[in-house]
Amino acid sequence: GNSVTQMEGPVTLSEEAFLTINCTYTATGYPSLFWYVQYPGEGLQLLLKATKADDKGSNKGFEATYRKETTSFHLEKGSVQVSDSAVYFCALSPSGAGSYQLTFGKGTKLSVIP
Amino acid sequence: DAGVTQSPTHLIKTRGQQVTLRCSPKSGHDTVSWYQQALGQGPQFIFQYYEEEERQRGNFPDRFSGHQFPNYSSELNVNALLLGDSALYLCASSIRLAGDYNEQFFGPGTRLTVL
Repeated sequence: GNSVTQMEGPVTLSEEAFLTINCTYTATGYPSLFWYVQYPGEGLQLLLKATKADDKGSNKGFEATYRKETTSFHLEKGSVQVSDSAVYFCALSPSGAGSYQLTFGKGTKLSVIP
Repeated sequence: DAGVTQSPTHLIKTRGQQVTLRCSPKSGHDTVSWYQQALGQGPQFIFQYYEEEERQRGNFPDRFSGHQFPNYSSELNVNALLLGDSALYLCASSIRLAGDYNEQFFGPGTRLTVL
């Protein structure tokens, strides 16, 4: 079946540090890949997505590239801010019409200190 | 424009009881999905409703059932509650277009505690 594995947290960084959160997946075909963010007390928000190999998703300074050869979708940001503190989830949606089910990783908690 | 709303915010039940959670999708959305998020875990897909029918289902027992109304709102019902059902229940809405993925918008969730 489909699965997503992301690096264990928590991750603590100083403001303006570089962020990488690793994510690898197992799925047949060409799934769509996503990063969601969950701020304290809130629901999930889509951060970025990529729907085919070599696509780069980007938003709010975050980037991730869909690497089919390594089945990876690592999240990066060049300079984190305190406001980026949240839990980040990597997720996939299977390929094929009508496949809307999302499979999530366990999440990585990021804390950014001033 | 209101986003996805869920009620109640929090709920406490005892083992063996039944619970109903409610979700109103984002305006213009016709598809509702439900997810269970245990503490410290990622959300797990329960099922999805479109045109008032269950279209996809994850690996959850029949104790979990749902309904979608003509106005696209949805309910999640859980019977014979177990301690392990304690979790954050998330509702997500989207627009169903054939052959494409559409962004799912999540509500803030309902925190269910089973004692």
